[in-house]
Amino acid sequence: GNSVTQMEGPVTLSEEAFLTINCTYTATGYPSLFWYVQYPGEGLQLLLKATKADDKGSNKGFEATYRKETTSFHLEKGSVQVSDSAVYFCALSGFSGGYNKLIFGAGTRLAVHP
Amino acid sequence: NAGVTQTPKFRVLKTGQSMTLLCAQDMNHEYMYWYRQDPGMGLRLIHYSVGEGTTAKGEVPDGYNVSRLKKQNFLLGLESAAPSQTSVYFCASRTDRGTEAFFGQGTRLTVV
Repeated sequence: GNSVTQMEGPVTLSEEAFLTINCTYTATGYPSLFWYVQYPGEGLQLLLKATKADDKGSNKGFEATYRKETTSFHLEKGSVQVSDSAVYFCALSGFSGGYNKLIFGAGTRLAVHP
Repeated sequence: NAGVTQTPKFRVLKTGQSMTLLCAQDMNHEYMYWYRQDPGMGLRLIHYSVGEGTTAKGEVPDGYNVSRLKKQNFLLGLESAAPSQTSVYFCASRTDRGTEAFFGQGTRLTVV
């Protein structure tokens, strides 16, 4: 079945450091890929998405490229801020068992220090 | 704009009690989902629905039941709560496959 694997956290960075959070997936067909962010005490919010191979999703300085050859969708940001501290979830939308399901990775906690 | 609304936001149950969590969306979405979030385990899909009157099991359906009698509402029921069901529950909805999902604020449930 479909699955998402993302790097374990927590990831601890200093402000203005470069961020990479790895995400790989297993799916049949052509899934859509997403990154969601969860701030403390809140629900998940969409950060960015890509619906086909080689698409690049971007938002708020974050970006991720849909790489079908490596089945990856790594999240990057060139210069993180304290306000980026949150939990980040990689997700895919694809058919499994006859229905289109939205499957999440385990989440990666990011802590950014001044 | 309300979006996805979950009620209640917090609840404490005794083992063996029953309760229903309500999810309501005002975006005319076809797909609705119930997830539970536990430390270190991300979001796990409990049940989902692809339209009014339809439901299907997700990864961890045991101990839960759902109903989708109206398109805008998706109910999650616990018939006999157990401490293992202590978790934060999230509801989500979306229009169709491939589109983004919108999440509620979550329900924190504690079973003692």
